[in-house]
Amino acid sequence: AAGVIQSPRHLIKEKRETATLKCYPIPRHDTVYWYQQGPGQDPQFLISFYEKMQSDKGSIPDRFSAQQFSDYHSELNMSSLELGDSALYFCASSTSRDPTASYEQYFGPGTRLTVT
Amino acid sequence: EDQVTQSPEALRLQEGESSSLNCSYTVSGLRGLFWYRQDPGKGPEFLFTLYSAGEEKEKERLKATLTKKESFLHITAPKPEDSATYLCAVYSGGGADGLTFGKGTHLIIQP
Repeated sequence: AAGVIQSPRHLIKEKRETATLKCYPIPRHDTVYWYQQGPGQDPQFLISFYEKMQSDKGSIPDRFSAQQFSDYHSELNMSSLELGDSALYFCASSTSRDPTASYEQYFGPGTRLTVT
Repeated sequence: EDQVTQSPEALRLQEGESSSLNCSYTVSGLRGLFWYRQDPGKGPEFLFTLYSAGEEKEKERLKATLTKKESFLHITAPKPEDSATYLCAVYSGGGADGLTFGKGTHLIIQP
């Protein structure tokens, strides 16, 4: 079965640079979520989109923004990168159309961002 | 604020030695409790969803149960390939889309 696709898988940036992470949800999934996972930490919710509109915000810094496009893929834009932004960034997707799978979020393989 | 506490933090078992992982939660209104498996450097892999107290789900050597305050992930006769971090997460809705995760249990199965 098709899974969530994320690109790039690895990204190295310097402080104050910008980065763009991409996420392609499972086909027919209408909701996308972004999470950040620091070393040895649990995933922290950043932001979500439902039907191309922002649905909810978690602990996302103002330097970060995201959007969901007409084909449901999503991009997380990160500016003025700081050393503390180094982490694994996961995208997850879910569908509102299957009542038997309510609220189930399926995660992608992640993008490892290293800020030097 | 939703809270999830998992115990133990780490668990080392011999192959074939059954055990249980605990997930205690505090939420305003549980919409779903989820178990994930995560290997180092990889994304969480979905295992189970539990929606109401008394519900049980099974998959191979794993069985998840749910009460009004906690969930257990029972692992029966584990194999070395079951070694991973097991994450518990809750969703309470109320306008918040994100899952609230516990810190996880790092499980090591020794041959």
